[in-house]
Amino acid sequence: EDKVVQSPLSLVVHEGDTVTLNCSYEVTNFRSLLWYKQEKKAPTFLFMLTSSGIEKKSGRLSSILDKKELFSILNITATQTGDSAVYLCAVVCSNYQLIWGAGTKLIIKP
Amino acid sequence: DGGITQSPKYLFRKEGQNVTLSCEQNLNHDAMYWYRQDPGQGLRLIYYSQIVNDFQKGDIAEGYSVSREKKESFPLTVTSAQKNPTAFYLCASSQPTAALETQYFGPGTRLLVL
Repeated sequence: EDKVVQSPLSLVVHEGDTVTLNCSYEVTNFRSLLWYKQEKKAPTFLFMLTSSGIEKKSGRLSSILDKKELFSILNITATQTGDSAVYLCAVVCSNYQLIWGAGTKLIIKP
Repeated sequence: DGGITQSPKYLFRKEGQNVTLSCEQNLNHDAMYWYRQDPGQGLRLIYYSQIVNDFQKGDIAEGYSVSREKKESFPLTVTSAQKNPTAFYLCASSQPTAALETQYFGPGTRLLVL
């Protein structure tokens, strides 16, 4: 059965810390991996990863995919309270269906 | 502005009542999706449609129905057969071609049972 597992399920850090969120997957017919940020409403798109070893970067956020070991990480440096959210990972299959992880709830304390 | 709209923001359902959640997009996307999200959980796919007049069941379709008569609209009906409908419902759309499979989400509808 296809599955996507995110860890940790929740994380509490202080402002300024760096965090690493993990997403591992077991999916047949992998096409791409997506990261979203959800703040009490609709998820907003962060990154799409298709190739191993190529880092995607947007400000303090970055992400990389390892297709050999079947995982991705999302890094956030110099965290701010506005980074508090649930971070969702999803794998896109060859039929364009998404398999979602349960998310990591990140809390940034001032 | 291009985007996805959902209405209402909050919806209350009485026992035995059918309710319909609206989802409209003006992104000219072919594919549309309905997800259910329960507290502390990820998204679960209810139904999806990859083209007008066609739709497929997702993982938890029982107790729900949809229609796709127009490209921009994909309403979801929560029927009385859905015994535990209280959840946050998200509609999404995408253009499933190479490098464009990212799904974009509407603001969601929170359904509560009275």
